[in-house]
Amino acid sequence: QQQVKQSPQSLIVQKGGISIINCAYENTAFDYFPWYQQFPGKGPALLIAIRPDVSEKKEGRFTISFNKSAKQFSLHIMDSQPGDSATYFCAASSITYGNQFYFGTGTSLTVIP
Amino acid sequence: EADIYQTPRYLVIGTGKKITLECSQTMGHDKMYWYQQDPGMELHLIHYSYGVNSTEKGDLSSESTVSRIRTEHFPLTLESARPSHTSQYLCASSDADYNEKLFFGSGTQLSVL
Repeated sequence: QQQVKQSPQSLIVQKGGISIINCAYENTAFDYFPWYQQFPGKGPALLIAIRPDVSEKKEGRFTISFNKSAKQFSLHIMDSQPGDSATYFCAASSITYGNQFYFGTGTSLTVIP
Repeated sequence: EADIYQTPRYLVIGTGKKITLECSQTMGHDKMYWYQQDPGMELHLIHYSYGVNSTEKGDLSSESTVSRIRTEHFPLTLESARPSHTSQYLCASSDADYNEKLFFGSGTQLSVL
């Protein structure tokens, strides 16, 4: 059973546009929600993360929006750049499960000049 | 920043061969993980370790085995490789005291013919 559902599978955005990737979860025990960025030939790297006690976290052009009641969270990339082209994974974890991470299926983002 | 290394980067072998995928980290992290990554799929946890002489199986059933004799080393072994083992294998580590952030290696792409 997939613990975290991610959409869309792929996304094409014009340079300067806003990229939005969505994730949903069912297990209310999850208490940590990171986003990982993966470039071809590399392993994923932590991009930004949020805990459910806040509804939004912003780091530069990257923002996580979190809706606890809807059990959804999303990544917004403002002013998208070709260098942002990568695969993005959302994830969720909980101390209840020994902090093991459950990942979404990934979104391949292409930013065209 | 990430000091976690995986070798080999690519491996093509025949069915029935025994293989070991190497993973080493120089950060002194107690927690280490092996994930399996297939295109369009979530990262699946196949093994993890919380310290020397500690290993556990993850959510995804795997015919591979792991060992943790030294803190920095977490090799994965397949006794008899099959085409169904063809996948990308990612090793990761985290700091046990602040284990939210996973540091990933660049992965081993395994192809079993």
